Amino acid sequence: AQTVTQSQPEMSVQEAETVTLSCTYDTSESDYYLFWYKQPPSRQMILVIRQEAYKQQNATENRFSVNFQKAAKSFSLKISDSQLGDAAMYFCAYRSPLSGTYKYIFGTGTRLKVLA
Amino acid sequence: GAGVSQSPRYKVAKRGQDVALRCDPISGHVSLFWYQQALGQGPEFLTYFQNEAQLDKSGLPSDRFFAERPEGSVSTLKIQRTQQEDSAVYLCASSFAGDTPEAFFGQGTRLTVV
Repeated sequence: AQTVTQSQPEMSVQEAETVTLSCTYDTSESDYYLFWYKQPPSRQMILVIRQEAYKQQNATENRFSVNFQKAAKSFSLKISDSQLGDAAMYFCAYRSPLSGTYKYIFGTGTRLKVLA
Repeated sequence: GAGVSQSPRYKVAKRGQDVALRCDPISGHVSLFWYQQALGQGPEFLTYFQNEAQLDKSGLPSDRFFAERPEGSVSTLKIQRTQQEDSAVYLCASSFAGDTPEAFFGQGTRLTVV
């Protein structure tokens, strides 16, 4: 069974600085998707960035980028020029197109605090 | 609608009471998921629908939990004889098709069992 591990329960970053959130996963599949979701106090999960496992190039979305290391099964999120609005819970998630269910498997989350 | 809508946003139930949680997916979305998120944890899969067919209910924690999507659109998650351990946020998500990479989430229903 697939698992997702986020080993940092909480991280802090100064406004305008850069922070990296860690995620590792375990799977025997070769084809899958990885995601980072942001969950503010409103509870709605908001997609931050997505990575297809077959793509070697790391995904980027404006100030957000990932470091995808397939062999190491590592998928970290880098947030550059941190803003107060980035403060939230961040969840790493795995999704396999082969499972038939397409369900997400989430990590336990990292709470990001942004200090003014 | 523009997004996934869930109601109610908050529900307080007395232990032993039955509750029904509603999810309105994005119009045209074939796939619908329910997740349970305990306090301080990541969401955990409960069940999956493709149109009206419930293709996976492996995550439902007990036979007190029941989900339906009779017309392939709105879905209801029902919990019978609620217990304190059922207290959690229940998230609904939908996607256009099963193999669409990402799903869109609603704001969830926070259930508190007292």
